[in-house]
Amino acid sequence: GENVEQHPSTLSVQEGDSAVIKCTYSDSASNYFPWYKQELGKGPQLIIDIRSNVGEKKDQRIAVTLNKTAKHFSLHITETQPEDSAVYFCAANTGNQFYFGTGTSLTVIP
Amino acid sequence: DTAVSQTPKYLVTQMGNDKSIKCEQNLGHDTMYWYKQDSKKFLKIMFSYNNKELIINETVPNRFSPKSPDKAHLNLHINSLELGDSAVYFCASSKGPPRSPLHFGNGTRLTVT
Repeated sequence: GENVEQHPSTLSVQEGDSAVIKCTYSDSASNYFPWYKQELGKGPQLIIDIRSNVGEKKDQRIAVTLNKTAKHFSLHITETQPEDSAVYFCAANTGNQFYFGTGTSLTVIP
Repeated sequence: DTAVSQTPKYLVTQMGNDKSIKCEQNLGHDTMYWYKQDSKKFLKIMFSYNNKELIINETVPNRFSPKSPDKAHLNLHINSLELGDSAVYFCASSKGPPRSPLHFGNGTRLTVT
């Protein structure tokens, strides 16, 4: 089955700096890659996603890149703000299944 | 106008008891899921239903039984609760799969004492 690895597990950045979270996957059949943000006491919320026929997607301060050949995808957050502090999960979708990374706890220091 | 709602939010119970968690979605989605999130935040799929039909049934003890009375509802019943069942349980729904995002509820924190 699919195996998704996510790094780093924790990340601290100064407010205004950029944050990058990286994921790798193993199954070349995976073709959809969402990113989720989970705040304390809440469920994961979709923040951005990318399909396998696209290399990059941007939404304001958030961008995702996908390298199908290398089987890795990354989340980039620019101009970080304290409200960006949360746990972030990457996921890979193959058929009916979503395979999640182990999460990155991001702390933005004011 | 909550999209995916699950009840209760907190559930504290003793070992050996039987409990249920309810989930409802008003997004018109065909597929619903149950995920378990452990203390290390790892999200593990338990079950998935598509139009009331079970399509994913991961290696989960038989004490866990999902029930989907219609495509807007997916409930989780747990028999003979054990300490190791303590976790946060998330319901989710999607249009697909494949290639459609999951929409999660806010979770049910189950504590077994």
